[in-house]
Amino acid sequence: GESVGLHLPTLSVQEGDNSIINCAYSNSASDYFIWYKQESGKGPQFIIDIRSNMDKRQGQRVTVLLNKTVKHLSLQIAATQPGDSAVYFCAENSPPYGKLTFGQGTILTVHP
Amino acid sequence: EPEVTQTPSHQVTQMGQEVILRCVPISNHLYFYWYRQILGQKVEFLVSFYNNEISEKSEIFDDQFSVERPDGSNFTLKIRSTKLEDSAMYFCASSVAGGTNTGELFFGEGSRLTVL
Repeated sequence: GESVGLHLPTLSVQEGDNSIINCAYSNSASDYFIWYKQESGKGPQFIIDIRSNMDKRQGQRVTVLLNKTVKHLSLQIAATQPGDSAVYFCAENSPPYGKLTFGQGTILTVHP
Repeated sequence: EPEVTQTPSHQVTQMGQEVILRCVPISNHLYFYWYRQILGQKVEFLVSFYNNEISEKSEIFDDQFSVERPDGSNFTLKIRSTKLEDSAMYFCASSVAGGTNTGELFFGEGSRLTVL
């Protein structure tokens, strides 16, 4: 069936490094993608989104890249900080929308 | 900053009991959702709600589940007869827009349900 999944379940980086978290999706009809951050004991928090008519979108210290050819999505975090330690989920939103399909999540650990 | 609030933060119940989880969405939002997350697993969609009716529901959302907006501020999820496998964190979310204009969903902190 359709799914959104992640390549790496864990990622450990040093403070100040750049982090890249990857996600693959299988639904070619997907046209809206979102990255969420989930800290321990909290709900998912929106980071950045991208629509399928774009290849790249930048936010504050974060960049999302979308490669529709290979159905791949990535989140880049620049100058990673200990406060970035969390589980990161990609999610797909497709018609009729409002129903997010989440990936399994990547645990990012940032070491001081 | 406006936020989605959920109560209770944790509820422990016996199998077969009814549970009601409550949510107060952000005041100007029109679309409401329930998601759940079993410990260590991904977040799963349960149901979306707009204009006082269910817009979409997943296979998980069977006849044991119901949602209601009893007044202008609350949005509730009821589980009629809880099962052990209902143990999970339940997240409420809301958004300003829906359909093709659905943007950011704002999630609450979650209600942890433990069924014994």
